[in-house]
Amino acid sequence: KQEVTQIPAALSVPEGENLVLNCSFTDSAIYNLQWFRQDPGKGLTSLLLIQSSQREQTSGRLNASLDKSSGRSTLYIAASQPGDSATYLCAVSSPFNDYKLSFGAGTTVTVRA
Amino acid sequence: NAGVTQTPKFQVLKTGQSMTLQCAQDMNHNSMYWYRQDPGMGLRLIYYSASEGTTDKGEVPNGYNVSRLNKREFSLRLESAAPSQTSVYFCASSYRGGRNYGYTFGSGTRLTVV
Repeated sequence: KQEVTQIPAALSVPEGENLVLNCSFTDSAIYNLQWFRQDPGKGLTSLLLIQSSQREQTSGRLNASLDKSSGRSTLYIAASQPGDSATYLCAVSSPFNDYKLSFGAGTTVTVRA
Repeated sequence: NAGVTQTPKFQVLKTGQSMTLQCAQDMNHNSMYWYRQDPGMGLRLIYYSASEGTTDKGEVPNGYNVSRLNKREFSLRLESAAPSQTSVYFCASSYRGGRNYGYTFGSGTRLTVV
């Protein structure tokens, strides 16, 4: 069974600092990996999707890397802003799991003004 | 660009009452999913429909039923609500087998069973 772990569980940084969020998974036979953002009381918003054949994806201040062989992905958020405060979830899908998503528990980020 | 639409957004039920949560997507996705999210438990899959005409159990199916009405719509029914079903429910859709297609989530239904 695929296990997804996100470390740290919570992170507090001053505005302007770069954020580094880690995600690890136990089974490297993934189809793709997706990073989501969830604001309190809201739904999940997709940030980046990395296909299994890709090494990284970028969108604005966000960059996500994927190292399938070591079972790791990292989400970098440059020059953090208070508006980046949210919970960030990592999820992987696999054809061996009928393409269902396996979620990490999330990292809750607070950016202090 | 509606994406995934869930109704209702909020609901309070009495124990034993029944209700149906509605979900519709307009992205021509073939797969649809129902999750529940509880504090400290993360997101757990209740049921999913890999394609129109099929449904399968997820991790926590007990107390729920689903119907894939057509390609766009996937409903979740609570036949006899229990306080343990108090949760936030999310519907999601995806294009199964498409490497560049991720999941899209609805905004959720916050359900309280008293």
